Amino acid sequence: AQSVTQLGSHVSVSEGALVLLRCNYSSSVPPYLFWYVQYPNQGLQLLLKYTSAATLVKGINGFEAEFKKSETSFHLTKPSAHMSDAAEYFCAVSAAGGGSNYKLTFGKGTLLTVNP
Amino acid sequence: KAGVTQTPRYLIKTRGQQVTLSCSPISGHRSVSWYQQTPGQGLQFLFEYFSETQRNKGNFPGRFSGRQFSNSRSEMNVSTLELGDSALYLCASSLDGTGGAQTQYFGPGTRLLVL
Repeated sequence: AQSVTQLGSHVSVSEGALVLLRCNYSSSVPPYLFWYVQYPNQGLQLLLKYTSAATLVKGINGFEAEFKKSETSFHLTKPSAHMSDAAEYFCAVSAAGGGSNYKLTFGKGTLLTVNP
Repeated sequence: KAGVTQTPRYLIKTRGQQVTLSCSPISGHRSVSWYQQTPGQGLQFLFEYFSETQRNKGNFPGRFSGRQFSNSRSEMNVSTLELGDSALYLCASSLDGTGGAQTQYFGPGTRLLVL
């Protein structure tokens, strides 16, 4: 079984400050990990994904995440927050649901607000 | 390339009715997955279709069903609607759904309100 825990349902930062969104996963097999962003009244957009190549993954809009196996973590960071980063962020793990079929299991999400 | 499209975008139904939602995947994508998103439960996997066959299923009652057509378009149906079915229903497509590294591309969702 696989699961994702996102610490902090709501994170608030000032514009220009560091953004850190936490994600811990549980998986009985080597996982693939994803971060998605959801803007109001929209679907989910992929920010980045870990596929067992480099442990530091760079994504769109200046975001990056580091896979740490020993800590079972995949935290999302951005050095300097922008007002347009305000959205809800979801961490997800993909592992075999049976045979070779994979399904995404999502965390509960973290709402990021950016203060001017 | 056009993204994933879902119709309708908004829907209001009453308890006991049934509803059908539609999803058109990205051209060339053959796997379609459905998710339910609610404030309380978050994003939950409903089922996945590939080549007109349900290949993976989440933990939802039998009132939730789906199908996929030969052109990969998919529909999901919810019968005997309950108030708790009010949610955003998201569809996602991927090339063939095999290999965990495949990205799923999401549509904008259908927001269902059950009164």
